[in-house]
Amino acid sequence: EVQLVESGGGLVQPGGSLRLSCAASGFTFSSYEMNWVRQAPGKGLEWVSYISSSGSTIYYADSVKGRFTISRDNAKNSLYLQMNSLRAEDTAVYYCARVGVEMAMNYWGQGTLVTVSS
Amino acid sequence: SYELTQPLSVSVALGQTARITCGGNNIGSKNVHWYQQKPGQAPVLVIYRDSNRPSGIPERFSGSNSGNTATLTISRAQAGDEADYYCQVWDSTLVFGGGTKLTVL
Repeated sequence: EVQLVESGGGLVQPGGSLRLSCAASGFTFSSYEMNWVRQAPGKGLEWVSYISSSGSTIYYADSVKGRFTISRDNAKNSLYLQMNSLRAEDTAVYYCARVGVEMAMNYWGQGTLVTVSS
Repeated sequence: SYELTQPLSVSVALGQTARITCGGNNIGSKNVHWYQQKPGQAPVLVIYRDSNRPSGIPERFSGSNSGNTATLTISRAQAGDEADYYCQVWDSTLVFGGGTKLTVL
């Protein structure tokens, strides 16, 4: 069974940093591209970042470029999102999602809540 | 940047057919995916590549895509179909529509 479990969320002050993790199991992690997607309270889905299966290709949404860094450790079956210079508008539930056909995301984690507030 | 436009809300009578649209410039040339999200839950892929259903998704869910509009159709709507629905494409970046709240009356 495919499982994605996010962790690392919490309360952080504006300007602070946080590192999210996504532990993958039930599939060959190293063969799949991955995305981070977030959802602010009461709002819609917003794509954050993409990483290829090898980690050689990475994309970011303009809203996080230069502040967030996506990475993966295929030996540990884990995906990461390093978030720096956090702002109030980064407050959201952050999901990791496995990419399937044509960038469709066929498996999602349960999400981890990040709250940026003083 | 590419934009996807969805109606904020759609209502459907129990047992009838709901259609949720997703508008975008020449969206018919792109692969459109649809997600269902119920309150407090992660999104679930219900249609990929315009009209394909993942395993476990009922045949009542179907999709089409042509011109400037993609459509998610839910036949014989059930109370359990009440949810937010999002369309998504890849256009150099990953883009979501704003989401549509489906109400089953």
